[in-house]
Amino acid sequence: NAGVTQTPKFRILKIGQSMTLQCTQDMNHNYMYWYRQDPGMGLKLIYYSVGAGITDKGEVPNGYNVSRSTTEDFPLRLELAAPSQTSVYFCASSYGGGGPYNEQFFGPGTRLTVL
Amino acid sequence: AQKITQTQPGMFVQEKEAVTLDCTYDTSDPSYGLFWYKQPSSGEMIFLIYQGSYDQQNATEGRYSLNFQKARKSANLVISASQLGDSAMYFCAMRDVSNDYKLSFGAGTTVTVRA
Repeated sequence: NAGVTQTPKFRILKIGQSMTLQCTQDMNHNYMYWYRQDPGMGLKLIYYSVGAGITDKGEVPNGYNVSRSTTEDFPLRLELAAPSQTSVYFCASSYGGGGPYNEQFFGPGTRLTVL
Repeated sequence: AQKITQTQPGMFVQEKEAVTLDCTYDTSDPSYGLFWYKQPSSGEMIFLIYQGSYDQQNATEGRYSLNFQKARKSANLVISASQLGDSAMYFCAMRDVSNDYKLSFGAGTTVTVRA
């Protein structure tokens, strides 16, 4: 199993450009997540999905969009990139289900710089 | 409101000694889970240990143990016999019912192990 894969690993955008961060998992997990991590900070949830066709906002959704057409893929779309979106983006997945145990498996991250 | 608090931004520890990383949390739910993740300089997020709110015993995983004090709402991570490879950022996270079982992360603690 490859686990959670993300592409690209690095990207530099100009202000106002758009891009899509790709995330794929091969563990048949129901739940998928997008986080951003600013320098020296913890992770903040952008969007999450509990299954194909179902997405919901996290703590910091403004400036982003997501879709979940398949169990495996959960792309994150940045529209009109701004310098405030300079961050490291992590995709994660988990089996989900009931109960508080829900180990999340993380991708390697995408380092995005907006200039 | 801040759900996870890590008050130690950085710590130094001598190789082979133990180190305790503090984590306090805030929830009114009786059912919740606490997680610790390690983030080395390479950037990936590595799951270390889990403690459920109903678990009677403190969790242990190799050199990692969790000092769970439910009444104080604290879940401190203890790393025994520190190794140079333990130098990393460590994040405490919580999943509770009121947050739709999403993970909330603390700001992290940087650990530097000295030879």
